Amino acid sequence: GENVEQHPSTLSVQEGDSAVIKCTYSDSASNYFPWYKQELGKGPQLIIDIRSNVGEKKDQRIAVTLNKTAKHFSLHITETQPEDSAVYFCAASKGYQKVTFGTGTKLQVIP
Amino acid sequence: SAVISQKPSRDICQRGTSLTIQCQVDSQVTMMFWYRQQPGQSLTLIATANQGSEATYESGFVIDKFPISRPNLTFSTLTVSNMSPEDSSIYLCSVFGRVDEQYFGPGTRLTVT
Repeated sequence: GENVEQHPSTLSVQEGDSAVIKCTYSDSASNYFPWYKQELGKGPQLIIDIRSNVGEKKDQRIAVTLNKTAKHFSLHITETQPEDSAVYFCAASKGYQKVTFGTGTKLQVIP
Repeated sequence: SAVISQKPSRDICQRGTSLTIQCQVDSQVTMMFWYRQQPGQSLTLIATANQGSEATYESGFVIDKFPISRPNLTFSTLTVSNMSPEDSSIYLCSVFGRVDEQYFGPGTRLTVT
């Protein structure tokens, strides 16, 4: 089955700096790669996603890149703010029925 | 998008008892998914619930321990039976949108003493 590895497990950045979280996946048939933000006491919230026919996608301060050849994808957050502090999960799936999540990255943005 | 609510939001239960968690979605969906998130861990799929048929369980999860109901296209329940402290987790309900995006409920935080 699919295996998703996520690094780093924890990340501390100064407010205003950029944060990068990286994930690798094992199944070359995976074609959908979402990223979730989970704040304390809440369920995961989809923040951005990318499909296998696209190499990069941006949404304001958030961007995701996908390298299908290397089977890795990354989340980039620019101009970080304290409210970006949360746990971030990457995931990979083949269609919507089987989603495999990464192990999570706890991001702390220091004011 | 889909708006998902869960009840209860949290509970503290005694060993050996059972708890039923409710999940309500604001739109009709074919499949609903139940996940478990143990403290500080990632999400693990427990089962997929289709309306009108028995739920499909993932490896390591069985119907006797986690019975699921799916009486209509907007509602599902997950019961955690004969609880032990190892069942202390966050239980999350999830559905998919029209273009594969996945939405989660706020979760039910369960503590078993």
